Amino acid sequence: AQSVTQPDIHITVSEGASLELRCNYSYGATPYLFWYVQSPGQGLQLLLKYFSGDTLVQGIKGFEAEFKRSQSSFNLRKPSVHWSDAAEYFCAVGAREYGNKLVFGAGTILRVKS
Amino acid sequence: ETGVTQSPTHLIKTRGQQVTLRCSSQSGHNTVSWYQQALGQGPQFIFQYYREEENGRGNFPPRFSGLQFPNYSSELNVNALELDDSALYLCASSLPGQGYEQYFGPGTRLTVT
Repeated sequence: AQSVTQPDIHITVSEGASLELRCNYSYGATPYLFWYVQSPGQGLQLLLKYFSGDTLVQGIKGFEAEFKRSQSSFNLRKPSVHWSDAAEYFCAVGAREYGNKLVFGAGTILRVKS
Repeated sequence: ETGVTQSPTHLIKTRGQQVTLRCSSQSGHNTVSWYQQALGQGPQFIFQYYREEENGRGNFPPRFSGLQFPNYSSELNVNALELDDSALYLCASSLPGQGYEQYFGPGTRLTVT
């Protein structure tokens, strides 16, 4: 069965510090990979996506993510966090072999301290 | 360009009642997916609609049903509401041939009492 794991439920970083959010997946197929961000009471905003090609992808708001096939990981990074980045972040995976659904991780809540 | 819109924003229903949630897809998007997000969890796929037909379904009972209209807007209907149906219901739309790249609306918060 397909699964997505985000090992960290909460992460707290200082404003200006770097950030890495972890995502691991279990899929028996070539995955499509996504990171979404959700502010309290809001819908999901797409930060970035990986379908194929260069394994380091750039997204909006200064985020990037790296696909590592050998580790089944797609970690999200940002060099310098801003207070406005405080939100919940979801990793999601899709695969043609499993239809058009996205499977989401449980999310990581990011807190930014000043 | 208008994004995905959903109505209503909030809804309170009683156990056993029926509810209809509505979604208007982003301009040019012909595929609509619905997800349920319980408190503290990631979204769970309910089903997807393409060309007015159901095009994939998650592990939800038949009392969850949907429709897609010729203008690509969509409805999610839930019959015989249960307390566990309380959640944020998210609609997402996709461009033709890009069903994985999904753009989400703000959601409808359903509370069942």
